[in-house]
Amino acid sequence: AQSVSQHNHHVILSEAASLELGCNYSYGGTVNLFWYVQYPGQHLQLLLKYFSGDPLVKGIKGFEAEFIKSKFSFNLRKPSVQWSDTAEYFCAVNGSRDDKIIFGKGTRLHILP
Amino acid sequence: NAGVTQTPKFQVLKTGQSMTLQCAQDMNHNSMYWYRQDPGMGLRLIYYSASEGTTDKGEVPNGYNVSRLNKREFSLRLESAAPSQTSVYFCASSEATEYNSPLHFGNGTRLTVT
Repeated sequence: AQSVSQHNHHVILSEAASLELGCNYSYGGTVNLFWYVQYPGQHLQLLLKYFSGDPLVKGIKGFEAEFIKSKFSFNLRKPSVQWSDTAEYFCAVNGSRDDKIIFGKGTRLHILP
Repeated sequence: NAGVTQTPKFQVLKTGQSMTLQCAQDMNHNSMYWYRQDPGMGLRLIYYSASEGTTDKGEVPNGYNVSRLNKREFSLRLESAAPSQTSVYFCASSEATEYNSPLHFGNGTRLTVT
């Protein structure tokens, strides 16, 4: 069965710091990978996705993620965070020919002004 | 363009009561999903429907039933609510023609079972 593990449950950073949030998955086949963001009081929105090709994908708001197949990882990065990045971030996975989409437990990011 | 619409937004039930959460999407999407969100647990998939007429269990289906009424609508029913079902419920849809389509979420239903 597929699963997603996000190791950082709560991250606190100062503005302009660099960010890396970890995501590891388990699945017996090729996958599609997603990062979603949930701002306070809102529903989830897509940040970026990977399904094939260049393992370094760029998303909205300056976020990027790198798919490392050998490590089953899809870590989210941003070189310089802003206060407005305060939110909860979720990694998600589905098999490349599967509709079942599973989420990790999320990482709550708090940016200090 | 309404996207994914969930009703109601808030609901309080007593243990043992039943209710149906409604979800409709106007994007002509094939796949629809129900998730529950609990603090520290992320989003857990309850049921999903890959296409009209099909439904499949997710990670936490016990205590729930679903109906894919047509392509637009996907309802979630609690037959006998329990306090453990207190949660925020999100409906989502996806075009899913290539399986890598992103999810579009509704605004959620906050359910409290006393």
